[in-house]
Amino acid sequence: DGGITQSPKYLFRKEGQNVTLSCEQNLNHDAMYWYRQDPGQGLRLIYYSQIVNDFQKGDIAEGYSVSREKKESFPLTVTSAQKNPTAFYLCASSDHPGLAGGPVRTGELFFGEGSRLTVL
Amino acid sequence: AQSVSQHNHHVILSEAASLELGCNYSYGGTVNLFWYVQYPGQHLQLLLKYFSGDPLVKGIKGFEAEFIKSKFSFNLRKPSVQWSDTAEYFCAVKNNQGGKLIFGQGTELSVKP
Repeated sequence: DGGITQSPKYLFRKEGQNVTLSCEQNLNHDAMYWYRQDPGQGLRLIYYSQIVNDFQKGDIAEGYSVSREKKESFPLTVTSAQKNPTAFYLCASSDHPGLAGGPVRTGELFFGEGSRLTVL
Repeated sequence: AQSVSQHNHHVILSEAASLELGCNYSYGGTVNLFWYVQYPGQHLQLLLKYFSGDPLVKGIKGFEAEFIKSKFSFNLRKPSVQWSDTAEYFCAVKNNQGGKLIFGQGTELSVKP
């Protein structure tokens, strides 16, 4: 089945350690996103990528890094510089409404099941 | 900067009551609008979306939303809620040049049986 796979589902890390969260999609989507979900704050955008080898900072990019070397993959690294890393991280992908041709594109996001990171 | 505001943080209703969740956004251009739902323990899924045409959009499970451009609003409605509608609901806005999707803070809906 087509979809988005995030791993690991749960992750514990000690302070000062970097950790990388995996996100893979087989939907052939151009755009991929990382959000952080905290209670009462909704989803906040960390980074997004509209095409391979390109990505942009979202609203809360400090302390995070990403890469987009392949269309299917958009890993997120939570670095030791992130002051409050304990959170639920969601990866998403979408087609790109700006691209011409094919079916109507709306930019609907499809989400993975999330990765819960706890810093001890 | 583009922003999305959901006015109700927590709504508690009895079964069969009507529901309206508010969503306002700040972007002045053409937008795509979405409502997502997150049931307890599940991942986010799309309820409905608007990108052009009829401003009254019907989604899954009896939900609908109306895009009112003059008010920059996209409120979610359901005439009669069920216990199974208990979830967190997120409004999201994306400008139609592509780019980032911005979410509101979310509204937690609790439906009492």
